[in-house]
Amino acid sequence: EIVLTQSPATLSLSPGERATLSCRASQSVSTYLAWYQQKPGQAPRLLIYAASNRATGIPARFSGSGSGTDFTLTISSLEPEDFAVYFCQQRNTGWTFGQGTRVDI
Amino acid sequence: QMQLVESGGGVVQPGRSLGLSCVASGFTFSGYAMHWVRQTPGKGPEWVAVISSDGSFTDFADSVKGRITISRDNSKNTLSLQLNSLKTEDTAIYYCARAFFSSNSYWFDPWGRGTLVTVSS
Repeated sequence: EIVLTQSPATLSLSPGERATLSCRASQSVSTYLAWYQQKPGQAPRLLIYAASNRATGIPARFSGSGSGTDFTLTISSLEPEDFAVYFCQQRNTGWTFGQGTRVDI
Repeated sequence: QMQLVESGGGVVQPGRSLGLSCVASGFTFSGYAMHWVRQTPGKGPEWVAVISSDGSFTDFADSVKGRITISRDNSKNTLSLQLNSLKTEDTAIYYCARAFFSSNSYWFDPWGRGTLVTVSS
């Protein structure tokens, strides 16, 4: 099973700041990686798929990069609604998720 | 607007069974594979099962293989999951999600809001 390790576990930032979230895979997943946002009591929402493609309706401040084993989700300037938990997910072999990064104020 | 609404969760004793449902709207349900994904609070999600658009193919996570059944009724836009021989470690929020195909692979989009299953004596 491919294990995804996200870091940091918690990121404490202020609105307007840049957020950089990391996801590392235990073996190469090529670019078969997605990022999801989850707010309390809500369904997870697809943000980025295939490492760098924004899903429909996702603002341009969200961007993804990376390939192989190292991936990054960047939020260029945090808006109040961006404070949430973010998960990465791979689809190279099976489907597995990371443990999440919480972006806090 | 695409929507998935799960139901059927509750408190169940270990060893018993429970059935979950997911009703889809806002897209052509019969054209998409569908997944179940579960999540224990404070942890990352765990993929549970997938069913093809016509129901002819299914696959399951090793942690639940042999204990669950996934099915669908395309005439009713409904996805189902039957959980048998439940264990305390099956306690989680269960989400249904559509398989979205792009860039040569499948992703989960959208998700429902989930239904909570608690396995406890």
